[in-house]
Amino acid sequence: DSGVTQTPKHLITATGQRVTLRCSPRSGDLSVYWYQQSLDQGLQFLIQYYNGEERAKGNILERFSAQQFPDLHSELNLSSLELGDSALYFCASSSQGKNSPLHFGNGTRLTVT
Amino acid sequence: AQSVTQLGSHVSVSEGALVLLRCNYSSSVPPYLFWYVQYPNQGLQLLLKYTSAATLVKGINGFEAEFKKSETSFHLTKPSAHMSDAAEYFCAVSDISSNTGKLIFGQGTTLQVKP
Repeated sequence: DSGVTQTPKHLITATGQRVTLRCSPRSGDLSVYWYQQSLDQGLQFLIQYYNGEERAKGNILERFSAQQFPDLHSELNLSSLELGDSALYFCASSSQGKNSPLHFGNGTRLTVT
Repeated sequence: AQSVTQLGSHVSVSEGALVLLRCNYSSSVPPYLFWYVQYPNQGLQLLLKYTSAATLVKGINGFEAEFKKSETSFHLTKPSAHMSDAAEYFCAVSDISSNTGKLIFGQGTTLQVKP
């Protein structure tokens, strides 16, 4: 158990809809990262928050947004969903330090029909 | 910018045989390197990490990796494969240039272990 909790585990929705993915980091970790995993793109970094502030942005679409709340949990919002958004979305957390490993949750599998 | 390349998207070994999963990195500064394993329907689990202390790094489940600067490699090995080792393995490098701690992952290698 990594200590990172993601909900829901599975999500099935239709094109054009909006969903919210939730992540609770490990106790004490201030950084939260979101990754998308798909068969054709592999593991792609989306966005990072540190103690409530956006720290880094990767290949995140404008239709996607995220935030980190004062209690350090994070939400990833995906809107105007397309078939190609179907993927596994992972949240990871880490403590401070460039050599700190990321600890991953079990992911949310999103299926857009 | 840092990057990693995993050679071979699929590796198949017999139970009891040596496991060798290859990873080469590209970095203009001394890198921080990681290996993760992903079992079906699970998240990524840290196997081991290299942070410049020792070039041979021992991890969990009998895995180890050796950092070779001259070859820009960080290959993962295990002397004797078990059926339970069948999974996908990812090599990753810390994006030091952005100073954010985010990891850049390779494309992954699926390890198949045959009885």
